[in-house]
Amino acid sequence: AQKVTQAQTEISVVEKEDVTLDCVYETRDTTYYLFWYKQPPSGELVFLIRRNSFDEQNEISGRYSWNFQKSTSSFNFTITASQVVDSAVYFCALSGYEMGQNFVFGPGTRLSVLP
Amino acid sequence: DTAVSQTPKYLVTQMGNDKSIKCEQNLGHDTMYWYKQDSKKFLKIMFSYNNKELIINETVPNRFSPKSPDKAHLNLHINSLELGDSAVYFCASSQVDGISTDTQYFGPGTRLTVL
Repeated sequence: AQKVTQAQTEISVVEKEDVTLDCVYETRDTTYYLFWYKQPPSGELVFLIRRNSFDEQNEISGRYSWNFQKSTSSFNFTITASQVVDSAVYFCALSGYEMGQNFVFGPGTRLSVLP
Repeated sequence: DTAVSQTPKYLVTQMGNDKSIKCEQNLGHDTMYWYKQDSKKFLKIMFSYNNKELIINETVPNRFSPKSPDKAHLNLHINSLELGDSAVYFCASSQVDGISTDTQYFGPGTRLTVL
């Protein structure tokens, strides 16, 4: 069975601090996808990144970076120099590779960035 | 320009009523989904349709029935609404290339409140 754990329920940081959101996953598949989504207070779900299990390279996009480590089944997300607009619930998700595989979402981490 | 749209955005109704939520995507995707997000923000898939055919049907009451008139639309009908159906319902879509499933893009959500 597939499972995604986000152990941090809520995190509060002060603006400009760096923050890392943890994601640990379980799957028996040898090929799979990992995702991060952002849900701001307005409620919509915004896609941030997709990573397939073949590619363990870290990725950086502006202030966002992701660290994928198969050895520890983790796909952590770091926000550098956080801003108030980063306040949201962040979801990590796992999908099997083949057609018909549904997404399994983690419980989410609520990030509050204080001015 | 909206990629995945849902109507209505808010739905307040009495217990026992029947209601529908509509979803449309203009991304040209061939797979659409319905998710339920409860008050604790847990996201759980309900249904998945690929080219108008049901491919995932998680354990949901049969009061919930998805209908896909074409691959750009996936509507959700709910009969005999119950208090526990109160949640935010998200529609999503993705492209399946015959082997693997691409990123899911979400609609803005429909907040259903059953009184």
